Amino acid sequence: QSALTQAASVSGSPGQSITISCTGTSSDVGDYNYVSWYQQHPGKAPKLMIYDVSNRPSGVSNRFSGSKSGNTASLTISGLQAEDEADYYCSSYTSSSTVVFGGGTKLTVL
Amino acid sequence: EVQLLESGGGLVQPGGSLRLSCAASGFTFSSYAMSWVRQAPGKGLEWVSSISYSGGSTYYADSVKGRFTISRDNSKSTLYLQMNSLRAEDTAVYYCAKSRYAAYYYDMDVWGKGTTGTVSS
Repeated sequence: QSALTQAASVSGSPGQSITISCTGTSSDVGDYNYVSWYQQHPGKAPKLMIYDVSNRPSGVSNRFSGSKSGNTASLTISGLQAEDEADYYCSSYTSSSTVVFGGGTKLTVL
Repeated sequence: EVQLLESGGGLVQPGGSLRLSCAASGFTFSSYAMSWVRQAPGKGLEWVSSISYSGGSTYYADSVKGRFTISRDNSKSTLYLQMNSLRAEDTAVYYCAKSRYAAYYYDMDVWGKGTTGTVSS
């Protein structure tokens, strides 16, 4: 199972919006609404930010939103803040009953 | 407070074994699927294995199938990962993670701090 494809890095200024894309195949992202997004700060455990493509767990800021079109899922962060600087990973359930993660995107807040 | 605490990591030679444990607290452990996710040094997250709430169903990444075994003891609220025939590429921080569901394991809403396994001669 190949990893989902994410850009290695993205950047934005405070207050701006950025979007991180996650491209899979018709055997994972394209076939299931089971896409999640995780935030990971250096040296810390991942944190669930979005589940089932577009749902936010309790306590996650509404500045974070998710969507999906075909084989590509997206995470949008609006009103960028310094604390949003972190690595972001997408994941998806697959037709092989496995879970696949993306390679991760490093977000830099300028 | 919902908490997961991994243990059992360490240094092992290639071909050796390690048994990781994950002690859960603050929630009804027996009601949720659980997973192991690893992260090699400087690399991204890699799903390793998952187990249903009862332990009746288990799932593995191809990279560890036949070498790793996931299990759980609901009476002790503890998740395990038995790792055999270890290779250098198994070196990673291993995270224990709780699912939002009993039988489905594709998203993980609570994570432990991780335990490090190093395979080296």
